[in-house]
Amino acid sequence: QSALTQPRSVSGSPGQSVTISCTGTSSDVGGYNYVSWYQLHPGQAPKLVIYDVNTRPSGVPDRFSGSKSDNTASLTISGLQAEDEGDYYCCSYAGHYTLVFGGGTKLTVL
Amino acid sequence: EVQLVESGGGLVQPGGSLRLSCAASGFTFSTYWMTWVRQAPGKGLEWVANINQDGSEKSYLDSVKGRFTISRDNAKNSLFLQMNSLRAEDTAMYYCARGLFSPNSWGQGTRVTVSS
Repeated sequence: QSALTQPRSVSGSPGQSVTISCTGTSSDVGGYNYVSWYQLHPGQAPKLVIYDVNTRPSGVPDRFSGSKSDNTASLTISGLQAEDEGDYYCCSYAGHYTLVFGGGTKLTVL
Repeated sequence: EVQLVESGGGLVQPGGSLRLSCAASGFTFSTYWMTWVRQAPGKGLEWVANINQDGSEKSYLDSVKGRFTISRDNAKNSLFLQMNSLRAEDTAMYYCARGLFSPNSWGQGTRVTVSS
């Protein structure tokens, strides 16, 4: 049950694209297509922005996209907007009905 | 509209107990896995426990096994987390969330502080 590895911070200017990586192992990220991404704003409940590696829930802009290669998943946000600033966490199913989260990445929109 | 409302948090001494509750509405509670996730101050999200639809399958984070018990009452649309032998490192905001593989609706959380 070791946390997935994410960069502590990323930044970009409005309109640019940023990518957040999430590295795990063959027992979690690499073993299942159940990677999800959450956006956290202070004082608010976490919001799901990507599930099943690359599927956007209804209402999430198509600027958000996800992918996976081997043991690393990625979240890309294109056309950055000020409202995208916040903390982002990846999450993966890890077998035996368990989940593991990443350490979180702080996105700053410059 | 899906709503999850946690309650039961508070200040407790090390070694003490608390029972968290999560009231669900806006969906058929009995058909979903449910999950507890926590976030310690200044730290990241951490999965705590899961329970399946009828309560027959439960999974726990290693560090809470034997101390925490997840349960549910489908007749009352409620999820619970009984926390015993609490430690300082259990101090966190505790969220209930709907779903197993990618919890897709979350409550606002209830704060648990373990301190003497």
